[in-house]
Amino acid sequence: ETGVTQSPTHLIKTRGQQVTLRCSSQSGHNTVSWYQQALGQGPQFIFQYYREEENGRGNFPPRFSGLQFPNYSSELNVNALELDDSALYLCASSWTSGAPTDTQYFGPGTRLTVL
Amino acid sequence: AQSVTQLGSHVSVSEGALVLLRCNYSSSVPPYLFWYVQYPNQGLQLLLKYTSAATLVKGINGFEAEFKKSETSFHLTKPSAHMSDAAEYFCAVILGSGNTGKLIFGQGTTLQVKP
Repeated sequence: ETGVTQSPTHLIKTRGQQVTLRCSSQSGHNTVSWYQQALGQGPQFIFQYYREEENGRGNFPPRFSGLQFPNYSSELNVNALELDDSALYLCASSWTSGAPTDTQYFGPGTRLTVL
Repeated sequence: AQSVTQLGSHVSVSEGALVLLRCNYSSSVPPYLFWYVQYPNQGLQLLLKYTSAATLVKGINGFEAEFKKSETSFHLTKPSAHMSDAAEYFCAVILGSGNTGKLIFGQGTTLQVKP
């Protein structure tokens, strides 16, 4: 039990729609990262938010966007859904002291299916 | 650019046997390396991490890994497999230097434990 929760657990959308996924971090954690895990693959870094500002992005298009709120919650928004967006989306939170090895705590993920 | 390669997408061992999961890294700077475990329908849990303090790193659940710079390896081992060890295992490296929490994952290795 990491104390990181995600909602919803599962979601089905159709191509072209928009989706919002939510993450609730551990209290006190100032950093949240989002990852996409396609079936049978390792997670891929989407972006990271530190104190409500984007702090780095992986190789994902601008239709992937995020928000981090002061109450330790965050969102991942995906516009114009494509079939390839079907994946498990994971959020991970941490207290960032500046060390790259700060432990990240992962949520259970949201399984998104795009039809 | 940093990357990791996990050798063997599936590993099968008998209960009580040695577990060896292989990970090789590529990095132009001293790497920070991690092993995560993912149980079905769950998020990722940190097993252990290499922070350059010691080359032999002990983690949770009896797992350990040894950093070998000459072989660019960070293999995960456990002396005696338990049925509960059956899961997906991911090796990961930090993206870039000084980038907190931006993990690059390998493709994963599925560990099967036979009774």
